[in-house]
Amino acid sequence: AQSVTQLGSHVSVSEGALVLLRCNYSSSVPPYLFWYVQYPNQGLQLLLKYTSAATLVKGINGFEAEFKKSETSFHLTKPSAHMSDAAEYFCAVSGADSWGKLQFGAGTQVVVTP
Amino acid sequence: EAQVTQNPRYLITVTGKKLTVTCSQNMNHEYMSWYRQDPGLGLRQIYYSMNVEVTDKGDVPEGYKVSRKEKRNFPLILESPSPNQTSLYFCASSYGEYNEQFFGPGTRLTVL
Repeated sequence: AQSVTQLGSHVSVSEGALVLLRCNYSSSVPPYLFWYVQYPNQGLQLLLKYTSAATLVKGINGFEAEFKKSETSFHLTKPSAHMSDAAEYFCAVSGADSWGKLQFGAGTQVVVTP
Repeated sequence: EAQVTQNPRYLITVTGKKLTVTCSQNMNHEYMSWYRQDPGLGLRQIYYSMNVEVTDKGDVPEGYKVSRKEKRNFPLILESPSPNQTSLYFCASSYGEYNEQFFGPGTRLTVL
């Protein structure tokens, strides 16, 4: 079984500042981890995924995430926030025993201020 | 274009009136799922299907039915909708071990 905890339901960042969204997971099998982004009134779009290859994963729009097994974490970062990054971000986990099941965190709403 | 489509996109209905939300994917994916999204709760899986005629309950299946008669289609049925089923619903499809899911645009359902 898998579960995900996202720390912070709302994050406010200044334009040009670092974006850091925290995600911790628990899994009874080696996990596959995902970050999705949801822009207002839209569906979910995959930002990046970890599937047991490189621990530092680069995604779209300048985002990246690092898998740390010792900390059971998969935090999402972007060096410099842009106004267009305002959205809700979801961390999700699955595993080889998941059979089509993806477990999502509660989401983090990102607000970017000028 | 590879995509997951859902219809309708918006629906307002009344308590007890049966409704169906359709979902179709053109990627030949084996797995399909339905999720509901509620503020502060993220996405919760309602039902999923591993292939034609194979379905199983997710985390919040009460009040919902599904069927998978064809690989591409996975309709969500609410036999007797209630106000607590007012939510944003997403259909998704996936394949392979990693279970990367591709999402439809969502259906916003309001039950009065």
